Amino acid sequence: KQEVTQIPAALSVPEGENLVLNCSFTDSAIYNLQWFRQDPGKGLTSLLLIQSSQREQTSGRLNASLDKSSGRSTLYIAASQPGDSATYLCAVINGGSQGNLIFGKGTKLSVKP
Amino acid sequence: KAGVTQTPRYLIKTRGQQVTLSCSPISGHRSVSWYQQTPGQGLQFLFEYFSETQRNKGNFPGRFSGRQFSNSRSEMNVSTLELGDSALYLCASSLELAGVYNEQFFGPGTRLTVL
Repeated sequence: KQEVTQIPAALSVPEGENLVLNCSFTDSAIYNLQWFRQDPGKGLTSLLLIQSSQREQTSGRLNASLDKSSGRSTLYIAASQPGDSATYLCAVINGGSQGNLIFGKGTKLSVKP
Repeated sequence: KAGVTQTPRYLIKTRGQQVTLSCSPISGHRSVSWYQQTPGQGLQFLFEYFSETQRNKGNFPGRFSGRQFSNSRSEMNVSTLELGDSALYLCASSLELAGVYNEQFFGPGTRLTVL
């Protein structure tokens, strides 16, 4: 059974710092991996999608990497800003389970001005 | 292009009642998934529909059901509501072309409170 873990559960950093959020999954037979952010009481905003054949994806100040063999993904945020404060969620889809995202519990990020 | 929309945004029901939630996917997306989010369990998959057919189902009791219409709009129904059904219900849509499954885009959710 696929399980997704995110460490740390919460993180507080001063503005301007570069930071890394971690995600691990137990079954390497994933179809793709997706990173989201969620603001309090809101829906999820898709940040990056990495297909299983890819190693990384970049969007602006965000860079996500994927190492299927070790069951790990990282989300790198450069030059953090207070507006980056949110909960970041990692989710995977297993092969043959379209539409079924399996989520970690998230990392709650706070960027202090 | 409009995003995923969900109605209603907020609902208050009492135990034993039933409720229907609606989701309109992004235009052209034929896959619609539903999730339940609670503080204790996090985000859990309910079911996924593609071209009016349920393709995948999560581990929820039969009180939770759904359907998809020919225009890809989807509804989910919860019968005989229990206090534990209080949650944020999120809908997501995805474009699937030639068997390639792409990223999911989420709606704002429906906040259901069961009293």
